[in-house]
Amino acid sequence: EIVLTQSPGTLSLSPGERATLSCRASQSVSSNYLAWYQRKPGQAPRLLIYGASSRATGIPDRFSGSGSATDFTLTISRLEPEDFAVYFCQQYATTPDTFGQGTKLEVK
Amino acid sequence: EVQLVQSGAEVKKPGEPLKISCKASGYSFSNYWLAWVRLVPGKGPEWLGLIYPGDSDTRYNPSFQGQVTISVDKSITTAYLQWRSLKASDSDTYFCVRAPVATSGAVGYFDYWGQGTLVIVSS
Repeated sequence: EIVLTQSPGTLSLSPGERATLSCRASQSVSSNYLAWYQRKPGQAPRLLIYGASSRATGIPDRFSGSGSATDFTLTISRLEPEDFAVYFCQQYATTPDTFGQGTKLEVK
Repeated sequence: EVQLVQSGAEVKKPGEPLKISCKASGYSFSNYWLAWVRLVPGKGPEWLGLIYPGDSDTRYNPSFQGQVTISVDKSITTAYLQWRSLKASDSDTYFCVRAPVATSGAVGYFDYWGQGTLVIVSS
């Protein structure tokens, strides 16, 4: 199965800063079938990005996804207070679908 | 507006049965796969199984095959996850999710999530 490794484990930034989160796959993710989710405590996860770079419905354009093959990035251009959460990636190109362990984005 | 509304928290004893539900609205229920997912701390989500309401085609994660049963009632656009005999290790929060690109061979991503149902299994 494809193992997804996210880095860093924790990212400490201030509102207004730019956040760059990485998701690296142990083998190539075909067709860029990679998604990103956001999870806040006590809430259900929310889909942000699918197909590596397509924003889900209702997601602000400060969130963007990029990358291909084994290296993918989620960028939040200017952090808003509500963006501090855990982010995790998922590949759905190869069965079984697998998830990264998550990056916690915290207020510096 | 797509909504997945799940049943409330449950506290059960080991060995007891349980059935939790997920009421879908705001889209064509029959035409999208629905999955049940649990979030494993430090590991990320894990899907238990999914079902296509249109024909009740159901697939299970091999890790959960035989442990749970997934079903739907199209007449009330509701999906279910059930256990015949709960174990303490089943304690978790379970989410019902819509899987818009799932096929018979892949689960795909999850575009809408229910609010989660907390299941506590304790003697």
